[in-house]
Amino acid sequence: AQSVAQPEDQVNVAEGNPLTVKCTYSVSGNPYLFWYVQYPNRGLQFLLKYITGDNLVKGSYGFEAEFNKSQTSFHLKKPSALVSDSALYFCAVRDMGNSGYALNFGKGTSLLVTP
Amino acid sequence: DAGITQSPRHKVTETGTPVTLRCHQTENHRYMYWYRQDPGHGLRLIHYSYGVKDTDKGEVSDGYSVSRSKTEDFLLTLESATSSQTSVYFCAIRASGGGHEQYFGPGTRLTVT
Repeated sequence: AQSVAQPEDQVNVAEGNPLTVKCTYSVSGNPYLFWYVQYPNRGLQFLLKYITGDNLVKGSYGFEAEFNKSQTSFHLKKPSALVSDSALYFCAVRDMGNSGYALNFGKGTSLLVTP
Repeated sequence: DAGITQSPRHKVTETGTPVTLRCHQTENHRYMYWYRQDPGHGLRLIHYSYGVKDTDKGEVSDGYSVSRSKTEDFLLTLESATSSQTSVYFCAIRASGGGHEQYFGPGTRLTVT
């Protein structure tokens, strides 16, 4: 089965510093990988995806992610964090089984950016 | 937000009662999904639909049923609600084209007492 893991429950970073939220994947074949953000009491918002091509993917709100096949990772990054980036972040992978292309999600990482 | 609405947004119900949650989309997407979100579990797939009257089970389908009689509406029913079904429920659609990203509704917070 296709799965992702987010090894950190929480990441703390000071405003203005670079941030990284980690994700590793386990798939058979080529992965379709995604990052989502969830603000309190809101639905999930799509940030970016990796399907194929350039390993550095740029997305919404200044976020980017780097696909690393040898390390089976897809870490989310931002050069300079904002307090407003504080939220819950989910990594996901497209399921390759009989699930209608559903997404398999990690457990989420809570990002706290302090002023 | 891909034109997805969910109703109700909040509901409190008693154990043993039936509950139906509604997802409505306005952009004619073929694929629709129901997920539940629980702390420490991320989101897990309950059921999905790949067209009118075409539905199938997901990872955590026990105790749930779905129906899709129109393209725009995807209903999730808890036949007899249990406390373990207290959760936040999200509906999603799959984007058209080859990207496979999904877009989510605002969610329904269900509490079963």
